[in-house]
Amino acid sequence: EPEVTQTPSHQVTQMGQEVILRCVPISNHLYFYWYRQILGQKVEFLVSFYNNEISEKSEIFDDQFSVERPDGSNFTLKIRSTKLEDSAMYFCASMAVRGYNEQFFGPGTRLTVL
Amino acid sequence: AQSVTQLDSQVPVFEEAPVELRCNYSSSVSVYLFWYVQYPNQGLQLLLKYLSGSTLVESINGFEAEFNKSQTSFHLRKPSVHISDTAEYFCAVSDPGAGSYQLTFGKGTKLSVIP
Repeated sequence: EPEVTQTPSHQVTQMGQEVILRCVPISNHLYFYWYRQILGQKVEFLVSFYNNEISEKSEIFDDQFSVERPDGSNFTLKIRSTKLEDSAMYFCASMAVRGYNEQFFGPGTRLTVL
Repeated sequence: AQSVTQLDSQVPVFEEAPVELRCNYSSSVSVYLFWYVQYPNQGLQLLLKYLSGSTLVESINGFEAEFNKSQTSFHLRKPSVHISDTAEYFCAVSDPGAGSYQLTFGKGTKLSVIP
């Protein structure tokens, strides 16, 4: 069964450093998402991406964040200068078509900012 | 903007007992509703969804949820739980009528099944 994969599973970084979280969505999917879950809190939407551009983003997704689909398979989330409060589990999700509306989630990357 | 309320943060229940996990959402003309399950150290897996049609939806492992528009609820139920059902359960909503397919999640309910 096809699945969304994410690398790395755990990333530790120093405050102020740049990190790139990687995701490989399901191959025939067209819509891509990033969510995050701070420990003990709810899962929060960050951004959605379709046709090589951002279609929606939340207030959390400020100028420190960017997304990219550099090739036909990867979907990345970059945090330019990490802050302590960026420590969270980051989930990538993909969806085939809008009408079907089932988002498939990856296992997540746990980001720890020291 | 949509919001989702899961009133119970933790629900302990004995094995083979029934369980109901509650979910309420802020009203809208049309919404899609979902339950996701997160097992320890794993990602989110879709358990079941309501898009349209029959208000009672079922999963392959015995869970069911009923969409109640008048009460803006989508409670999750199982008549007899197993140890393997121990996990965190998240209710989520999207608002396609507003052109948005992003998921808004509740805070989650941790279900602990006691042998």
